[in-house]
Amino acid sequence: AQTVTQSQPEMSVQEAETVTLSCTYDTSENNYYLFWYKQPPSRQMILVIRQEAYKQQNATENRFSVNFQKAAKSFSLKISDSQLGDTAMYFCAFIPSGAGSYQLTFGKGTKLSVIP
Amino acid sequence: KAGVTQTPRYLIKTRGQQVTLSCSPISGHRSVSWYQQTPGQGLQFLFEYFSETQRNKGNFPGRFSGRQFSNSRSEMNVSTLELGDSALYLCASSLAGFSGNTIYFGEGSWLTVV
Repeated sequence: AQTVTQSQPEMSVQEAETVTLSCTYDTSENNYYLFWYKQPPSRQMILVIRQEAYKQQNATENRFSVNFQKAAKSFSLKISDSQLGDTAMYFCAFIPSGAGSYQLTFGKGTKLSVIP
Repeated sequence: KAGVTQTPRYLIKTRGQQVTLSCSPISGHRSVSWYQQTPGQGLQFLFEYFSETQRNKGNFPGRFSGRQFSNSRSEMNVSTLELGDSALYLCASSLAGFSGNTIYFGEGSWLTVV
C-alpha cells in the first residue's frame, strides 16, 4: 500500500515571495506518477503539476515547480511570486503506473495562505 | 470544453434515507472515479468505473454503490445514511483511467446528514 505524507498542515507566505510545500511518500513501486492538486474555497480540485517518476527532470508549470527526489521519496512544490489567488489547500497525490492502478492516494493537505 | 459536472451541489438528508449523486465526465472521458472528502479522513477513494464496469473499489461498506452508463455518466448511491456520511463527494474523470492520464475533478456534491 502507498502512503503520502504532508508534514505541514498550514503555511503562510507574503505576496510575491516564494514558498515550498513538502510531500513524502512511501511505495515499493518503481514506476508511478505524482501530482500536486490545489483546492480553493470553491472546493474544486485543480491540477497544478504532475511528475512522472521515470523522468529525472523536475516538472515546471509557470510559477510552480517541483523538486523530485526519487531515492528520498520526496516531492516538494515550490511556488514563486506568490499571488493572492494561490491561497488554497494543496494536496500531494500518488498513483502507480500500469494496469490495475486507477486510484489516487492523497496526503492530508497543506493549507496555504498568501498574505497581502 | 465543459468540465466534470456534478449534481446536486448541495443536499441535506436524514439518517436512514438514501441518496443518489450524479456525475457527467468531460466529453470523451471513459473513466469515472469517486472520492469522499471529510475533515477527519481526508480524501478517500470510493470506486472507479470504466466502460460501465467497476474496476476498483475502496474500503467502504456495501451501503456505498455506484454505476456507470453507456454515455460514461456515473451515479453513486449511499443507502441507510449515517451521520458520518456527511462529506464532500468528488467525482473525477480521465480518458481511460490509465494512471498516466490526467485526472480531472468536478466541484463536488456536499452531503449533510442530519
